[in-house]
Parts: sequence; C-alpha cells; structure tokens
Amino acid sequence: QQQVKQSPQSLIVQKGGISIINCAYENTAFDYFPWYQQFPGKGPALLIAIRPDVSEKKEGRFTISFNKSAKQFSLHIMDSQPGDSATYFCAATTGTALIFGKGTTLSVSS
Amino acid sequence: KAGVTQTPRYLIKTRGQQVTLSCSPISGHRSVSWYQQTPGQGLQFLFEYFSETQRNKGNFPGRFSGRQFSNSRSEMNVSTLELGDSALYLCASSLGGDRETQYFGPGTRLLVL
Repeated sequence: QQQVKQSPQSLIVQKGGISIINCAYENTAFDYFPWYQQFPGKGPALLIAIRPDVSEKKEGRFTISFNKSAKQFSLHIMDSQPGDSATYFCAATTGTALIFGKGTTLSVSS
Repeated sequence: KAGVTQTPRYLIKTRGQQVTLSCSPISGHRSVSWYQQTPGQGLQFLFEYFSETQRNKGNFPGRFSGRQFSNSRSEMNVSTLELGDSALYLCASSLGGDRETQYFGPGTRLLVL
C-alpha cells in the first residue's frame, strides 16, 4: 500500500532526445507527487511536483503527466542534455513523509 | 541562505557500536526529516521532527532514534550497529507544513565494519 514503483531502473538517451520515467502507486490517499534529482555526492533536490487535481505540469524542459484513475505519473525531460545525467526519484506523500521510488539513473550521451 | 548541513560527512564504525549524526536545517525551517539511502532499498523515511516532537515515524527498529533541539537542529542516533546499517543518511528540512518542499543535505556516509 505504501509502495511507489518506478521504471526503468536505468535509461540512456541521446542529447536532444526525450527522457521518460514512469511511476505507479497504490495508496489513493497520496495527494502530492514530487520528483527529485540527485547528482553523485549530493542530496536529492526537488525538480518539480504535482497534485492530483491537475493532469499535467510543465516547468521549462520538465513535464509531469498525472493519471489519477490509473494511479500513475511520469516525468518527461524534453531536449535532454548531458547535464541532466543524474538519478531521478519519484515520490508520493499524504503530508510530510516522502515515499520514494527506487530511482532511475539517466545518462544523456553527447 | 545557507543550505542544510550534516556532520560528519563520513563515518566508519564497527558492529555493536552506536553513532550520532547531526543535521542543521535551513534557517527558519522547523521540520527535520531523516532518510536512509541504500542501493538495495533506495530512499526510506526514518522519522520527522517538528518543534522538538517526533511527528512521524517510518518502519525502522527502535535502535534508530532521534531528537530535535529548540533551534531546530536535529540528531539521529543508531545503537548496536549492524552491518546492514551501512548507508547514506540524509536529512531534509522544511517549513513544516504538509507538502512543503523538503530540502536535503549532502548526507552522512556511514560504513559499519
């Protein structure tokens, strides 16, 4: 009930391509879904977040798509750049305790 | 504003020992959460402190404990260390409301031998 399942585990994308990471959840009480980006040696940093009352949120090259009925949400990175190479975590929460997916390691090749 | 700071950054302990990790939140933040990050289990929520009280707790044994001081600084303690406690321990601070952005520190890398 508390799990957030994330896929794929790793992803290789050409520079300029679209990176897509998917997450699914079971607990319908979750009402806030942030995505975090983590570089080696650093703590995770908030990238973008969405609430279930909207189906899509875009910030620059990053877009979250949210499907409440399917209990799924995804991160799209448009025009992927080598600087986007990092580990991405989806998360869900009902308040303050973040429940994270296992992470996706993205490599953008130039 | 200075970010979240954690000390020490690296630590080596042996089985059976105990360890205390420290976290200084962003100025003005009243909530501090602790997470354990391992390759196998990923990021797992340990507990959250708000105004010196534990407000939320994850599914970890009682060997893991914490506290928060009046200046919002927090410490995490692990007693009777096990090999499986080797991990990156991250703390995150926020203003304290639900769904507030959590700002993570760089973590303390603990190795248990």
